[in-house]
Amino acid sequence: SAVISQKPSRDICQRGTSLTIQCQVDSQVTMMFWYRQQPGQSLTLIATANQGSEATYESGFVIDKFPISRPNLTFSTLTVSNMSPEDSSIYLCSVEGAAVYNEQFFGPGTRLTVL
Amino acid sequence: TQLLEQSPQFLSIQEGENLTVYCNSSSVFSSLQWYRQEPGEGPVLLVTVVTGGEVKKLKRLTFQFGDARKDSSLHITAAQPGDTGLYLCASPHYNQGGKLIFGQGTELSVKP
Repeated sequence: SAVISQKPSRDICQRGTSLTIQCQVDSQVTMMFWYRQQPGQSLTLIATANQGSEATYESGFVIDKFPISRPNLTFSTLTVSNMSPEDSSIYLCSVEGAAVYNEQFFGPGTRLTVL
Repeated sequence: TQLLEQSPQFLSIQEGENLTVYCNSSSVFSSLQWYRQEPGEGPVLLVTVVTGGEVKKLKRLTFQFGDARKDSSLHITAAQPGDTGLYLCASPHYNQGGKLIFGQGTELSVKP
């Protein structure tokens, strides 16, 4: 299994500002995923980030609002831009595990509150 | 559209009780994963079931995969407060490699 860390663990931000969330993995992985989660609810996939190519965004999420970087096989960032209170959520990164069954390993999450 | 329907959404029980969580789909699963997420943490993989009719046990947790691979269940025997958390079922997207489809989640609270 992979060990994944995220920074920051939580933040309180003012509306209109941007926050960049970092995701670091202890091993090289091809696919990284970014999710959004309301407390107590399921996960919503924002985008898939592969090293060396542009991120693939899910319906309802756009690059201008959630730019993603993937500079190498162990690191990725997600920026939440021009934040509004509706962006208050938990943001999680994950990586693929065993390729056979597509299991994923998750970071601890970043709890974002926008005032 | 590939959907996983999970039930119940909320469950509040007393320590020592048994419970079952269900995950169903109209589509056949290639495989199915169960995750548990504790407050303030990311989801952690509990088990993957692959074969129709398969049963896997993890201490007091029993996971079953339906014969037709369209449903799965998680049964917890003698629940403890440490079992409290969000339980999620997930299955690989049928044609988008690497992506997972998640159920709506079951929030379990076990009171001492």
